[in-house]
Amino acid sequence: DAKTTQPTSMDCAEGRAANLPCNHSTISGNEYVYWYRQIHSQGPQYIIHGLKNNETNEMASLIITEDRKSSTLILPHATLRDTAVYYCIVRVALGGGSQGNLIFGKGTKLSVKP
Amino acid sequence: KAGVTQTPRYLIKTRGQQVTLSCSPISGHRSVSWYQQTPGQGLQFLFEYFSETQRNKGNFPGRFSGRQFSNSRSEMNVSTLELGDSALYLCASSSGQDSGNTIYFGEGSWLTVV
Repeated sequence: DAKTTQPTSMDCAEGRAANLPCNHSTISGNEYVYWYRQIHSQGPQYIIHGLKNNETNEMASLIITEDRKSSTLILPHATLRDTAVYYCIVRVALGGGSQGNLIFGKGTKLSVKP
Repeated sequence: KAGVTQTPRYLIKTRGQQVTLSCSPISGHRSVSWYQQTPGQGLQFLFEYFSETQRNKGNFPGRFSGRQFSNSRSEMNVSTLELGDSALYLCASSSGQDSGNTIYFGEGSWLTVV
């Protein structure tokens, strides 16, 4: 079973920030938080990941609480093309020859509306 | 650089037949995983390969198999196809080398079994 809990769906107005929450209360110290999104009929697209600190890249920002039990993905200026299912995944990044397996939950369906 | 490439993108097979799907990972990536996505079960891990060795395997019957070649390219095979095997099959690659290595997905192969 997925180790994360996400709302089933969310709406966001175009041009506004989209804040997608994720609960991972049983996360272990060596587990990363990864975010992917999947636009209909396409493969999941990597967005961002983090361990403890907040992270930002050209797509989004990831805010992880100090106790690491929850996080928020922020799309600063949502566009219609950001409409997708967003998956929050907790993963042990093994390295050493194994990428481990990602356990996907049902994700959050984000609808960006004009 | 080029992303994960999967071929074919779409195919239709008949029950009882077998199918082979191909995946070329991102250049330099040595770890390849396969996932199955269906409306009912969501995204599920099939297996993972690194340096031509299977490292992890998901909970799928033995009809599902895979292999990895010396150039890191991978194939998966499904024998004796059943209607329930109709799905999007996704390949993902990563370096597999360091902690926190990111997994990138291809666009998938859509398999329809009739």
